[in-house]
Amino acid sequence: GEDVEQSLFLSVREGDSSVINCTYTDSSSTYLYWYKQEPGAGLQLLTYIFSNMDMKQDQRLTVLLNKKDKHLSLRIADTQTGDSAIYFCAEKDNYGQNFVFGPGTRLSVLP
Amino acid sequence: EAQVTQNPRYLITVTGKKLTVTCSQNMNHEYMSWYRQDPGLGLRQIYYSMNVEVTDKGDVPEGYKVSRKEKRNFPLILESPSPNQTSLYFCASSDTTRDRVDFGAGTRLSVL
Repeated sequence: GEDVEQSLFLSVREGDSSVINCTYTDSSSTYLYWYKQEPGAGLQLLTYIFSNMDMKQDQRLTVLLNKKDKHLSLRIADTQTGDSAIYFCAEKDNYGQNFVFGPGTRLSVLP
Repeated sequence: EAQVTQNPRYLITVTGKKLTVTCSQNMNHEYMSWYRQDPGLGLRQIYYSMNVEVTDKGDVPEGYKVSRKEKRNFPLILESPSPNQTSLYFCASSDTTRDRVDFGAGTRLSVL
């Protein structure tokens, strides 16, 4: 079945860039997503990218997709303490019935 | 305001005592689903529903039931909760394109 993997932890200093990486197995995924979960809160859709795109930029967020390697990354420029959260990578499966989530990367922003 | 509402947000119960977590959405979405979130495992789908009276198992359905009698509501039922169902639960909904999913705020359940 489909699988999505991420590293579990990332620490960066305030003002630096953060890069959160994700690999997935379903080559037929049409959309790939990044969700953010702040402490005690639900999941908030940050951004998504269609599979025929290589890059998408939205203010401080840049998503890069390498479809050949099935690798997705989320870059956060000028990381702030408010960016501390768990970031989930997700793909929509073949049948469109299920979003498959990675385990989440906990981003800690140090002052 | 478009939203997915779950209740309760926090629940502590004992083994074997039936409970229901409610979920409602005000966006007229056809598709609704339940996930559980456990550390290091991400979100795993429990059940989903493609429309009224249409439900199907996700990846981890054991010990759970759902119903979809109305479009806006999709309750999650634990007939006989066990400690391994202690988790954080999320309800989600999306329209027919399913290009994005909107999540509720989560229900933290502890089964003693």
